[in-house]
Amino acid sequence: GAVVSQHPSWVICKSGTSVKIECRSLDFQATTMFWYRQFPKKSLMLMATSNEGSKATYEQGVEKDKFLINHASLTLSTLTVTSAHPEDSSFYICSAGTNVGGGTTFGEQFFGPGTRLTVL
Amino acid sequence: GQQLNQSPQSMFIQEGEDVSMNCTSSSIFNTWLWYKQDPGEGPVLLIALYKAGELTSNGRLTAQFGITRKDSFLNISASIPSDVGIYFCAGQGGSEKLVFGKGTKLTVNP
Repeated sequence: GAVVSQHPSWVICKSGTSVKIECRSLDFQATTMFWYRQFPKKSLMLMATSNEGSKATYEQGVEKDKFLINHASLTLSTLTVTSAHPEDSSFYICSAGTNVGGGTTFGEQFFGPGTRLTVL
Repeated sequence: GQQLNQSPQSMFIQEGEDVSMNCTSSSIFNTWLWYKQDPGEGPVLLIALYKAGELTSNGRLTAQFGITRKDSFLNISASIPSDVGIYFCAGQGGSEKLVFGKGTKLTVNP
């Protein structure tokens, strides 16, 4: 099956620094990539949707200047948490979709293994 | 926004027992999906449902897309210890976006 990787798998940083997380589709081209945030024992919350070569679409309440998303190619999207603070500590998960469904359905989304961010 | 109500929140069962969990929505979805997430990992797709009334199996797992398109259930038969994890339902409406339920944490006692 399709594989999505994330790097790093975990990161610890000081408050005020910026952290970049990479999401790669290893064996397919992803027309769309999604970024989720998951707090402990909670569900996945969609942060933003990004399409290659265009600006990301952010969900309501997500600060686009805080969470910078770049989708430079069909196999790579990055999420940069700028000026991170302890409340940004979370599990960040990306998914990649191929959008090859028909009618009212869409192609499967393949999830990465997640990145654990801890801000001290 | 769209929300999914997933129940139960947690389950503690004995190995060999069957398990059932469900999701309901206030709005219609075109696709229902069931995922399993292990600690520190991303979700893995178990079953995808694309048509109202559809009943689909994947090994010991069976899921159905409710005919009202507002609900779905997942059954696991003859549970084994490796079934432990958090199970999420997700719905997909008129866009690629997935809306996730809050998860069902399954514990299987050997």
